[in-house]
Amino acid sequence: DAGVIQSPRHEVTEMGQEVTLRCKPISGHDYLFWYRQTMMRGLELLIYFNNNVPIDDSGMPEDRFSAKMPNASFSTLKIQPSEPRDSAVYFCASTFTGGPSTDTQYFGPGTRLTVL
Amino acid sequence: KQEVTQIPAALSVPEGENLVLNCSFTDSAIYNLQWFRQDPGKGLTSLLLIQSSQREQTSGRLNASLDKSSGRSTLYIAASQPGDSATYLCAVRRFGGAQKLVFGQGTRLTINP
Repeated sequence: DAGVIQSPRHEVTEMGQEVTLRCKPISGHDYLFWYRQTMMRGLELLIYFNNNVPIDDSGMPEDRFSAKMPNASFSTLKIQPSEPRDSAVYFCASTFTGGPSTDTQYFGPGTRLTVL
Repeated sequence: KQEVTQIPAALSVPEGENLVLNCSFTDSAIYNLQWFRQDPGKGLTSLLLIQSSQREQTSGRLNASLDKSSGRSTLYIAASQPGDSATYLCAVRRFGGAQKLVFGQGTRLTINP
């Protein structure tokens, strides 16, 4: 398997623009997570899905952030409108809870977002 | 609220030394604890996962221990190599907290040849 795939790897945009980050989890995994990593706050969980259903979005900073998972192989994280303080690395991760590696989360390479 | 702390924030040691990284957590009601490695510009890679009922896990030169009652975990790296240079993060999953992980800030490890 190719692992968790994220696109784009780098995104530079101007304040006020809409940003969409994409994630393809590992095939067969039933949980998908979106994290944000900054120097100041470290790694924070934004939202996670189980079988395409959002379970906990308490980490989403505000209404400007939204996430969807229309099917088991694709998820998006959207920021509209973007602000400079949203600049961070956004990671997607997935896990499968039915096998011997239960709870091991597999991370994608991340999307480095810069909002000017 | 669960808080995870890793001290020191950075560590530099000569190649070949054995070393210990520390992780502490405030709420002992955890389901499991994981250690991850993060290379610059990359995602996280899971190294070891310790269930709450376990005391330690080993993988090659790595050994992770867990003491729930004191809220502590250590990652022991034997015979360190320059390739071990990375940031190491620990994360805990709260008991009853579904799949939600709380991460420490990490320890940036540098192994000098």
